[in-house]
Amino acid sequence: KQEVTQIPAALSVPEGENLVLNCSFTDSAIYNLQWFRQDPGKGLTSLLLIQSSQREQTSGRLNASLDKSSGRSTLYIAASQPGDSATYLCAVRPVRGSTLGRLYFGRGTQLTVWP
Amino acid sequence: EAQVTQNPRYLITVTGKKLTVTCSQNMNHEYMSWYRQDPGLGLRQIYYSMNVEVTDKGDVPEGYKVSRKEKRNFPLILESPSPNQTSLYFCASSLIPLQETQYFGPGTRLLVL
Repeated sequence: KQEVTQIPAALSVPEGENLVLNCSFTDSAIYNLQWFRQDPGKGLTSLLLIQSSQREQTSGRLNASLDKSSGRSTLYIAASQPGDSATYLCAVRPVRGSTLGRLYFGRGTQLTVWP
Repeated sequence: EAQVTQNPRYLITVTGKKLTVTCSQNMNHEYMSWYRQDPGLGLRQIYYSMNVEVTDKGDVPEGYKVSRKEKRNFPLILESPSPNQTSLYFCASSLIPLQETQYFGPGTRLLVL
């Protein structure tokens, strides 16, 4: 069974810092990997989707990389702002036939950016 | 506006009283899924549907039922709720089951007494 781990569980940084969130997964046979953002009491918002054939995706100040062979992904946030404060979740979709519709989530990194 | 809606948003019920949480999307998405989120356990998939009349179990299907009679709706049914089903529930959908990102509903907070 796929296990997804996110480190650190919580992170508190001053505004303006560049930061890296980590996600690792145990089975490298994945179809794609997604990064989501969750604000307190709210649903999830998709940030970036990386297909297994891709190495990275960028959206504004966010950059996500994927190293499928080592089972790792990183989410890089440049010039962090207080509005970036949220929980960041990564999720992987396995490629094996019987589990194609599944999505496995990490437990998230709770980010606080203070002014 | 493209969205996934869930009803109710908050529900308090008692053990054994059947309930249904509705999920509807207006984006003509093929894929829909239900998750529960619990402190310390994260998000876990309950059931998913690759298309109409096609449903399959996720990680934690026990105690839940689903149906997909039409593309836009994917209700979650708790036939006999128990306190361990107290949780925050999310419905999600995507256009193409595997390739596209998922859009999440706002969540349903359920308390079973």
